[in-house]
Amino acid sequence: GENVEQHPSTLSVQEGDSAVIKCTYSDSASNYFPWYKQELGKRPQLIIDIRSNVGEKKDQRIAVTLNKTAKHFSLHITETQPEDSAVYFCAASLDTKYIFGTGTRLKVLA
Amino acid sequence: DSGVTQTPKHLITATGQRVTLRCSPRSGDLSVYWYQQSLDQGLQFLIQYYNGEERAKGNILERFSAQQFPDLHSELNLSSLELGDSALYFCASSVSSGSQETQYFGPGTRLLVL
Repeated sequence: GENVEQHPSTLSVQEGDSAVIKCTYSDSASNYFPWYKQELGKRPQLIIDIRSNVGEKKDQRIAVTLNKTAKHFSLHITETQPEDSAVYFCAASLDTKYIFGTGTRLKVLA
Repeated sequence: DSGVTQTPKHLITATGQRVTLRCSPRSGDLSVYWYQQSLDQGLQFLIQYYNGEERAKGNILERFSAQQFPDLHSELNLSSLELGDSALYFCASSVSSGSQETQYFGPGTRLLVL
């Protein structure tokens, strides 16, 4: 069935360093890839998304890249700050539903 | 604030009981999605409704059911509750039902089954 693998499950970086989270999806029909940030006990919030006709998208310190051939996409956060600490989920949209990755707990150490 | 509202915020009940979770989508959104998030787990898609009709089903148990009303709010009914049903339940909404629609999440309902 449809599957999205996300790595790493936890990631610790020093403040100011970059963080990269990678996801791989199984169904080549997926055509929309959102990333959500979830703070403890809060709702997932969309931080960036990319559609299958685009290879890269950037929004200030956050960027997402998509490789359709390899069926993987990545989230890049530069100049990390303590407030970036949260759990990040990738998702791949298939037909009308999202398949979420298992999440990455990012800790930014001051 | 995403514009999606959910009630109640917290719910404590006993095994075997039945509860109803309510979701109001963003103004103008026709699709509502329900997700279950167990402790330290990912988001599991349960079910989607579009303009009052069931559109997609995920890993939803037979003890669970949902509906979307003419005013587009949705309710998720959980019955014969078990300890393992304790989780955060999120609803999300989107404008339509296309595969490239952005989903906006509500604040969630935290269910604790004792």
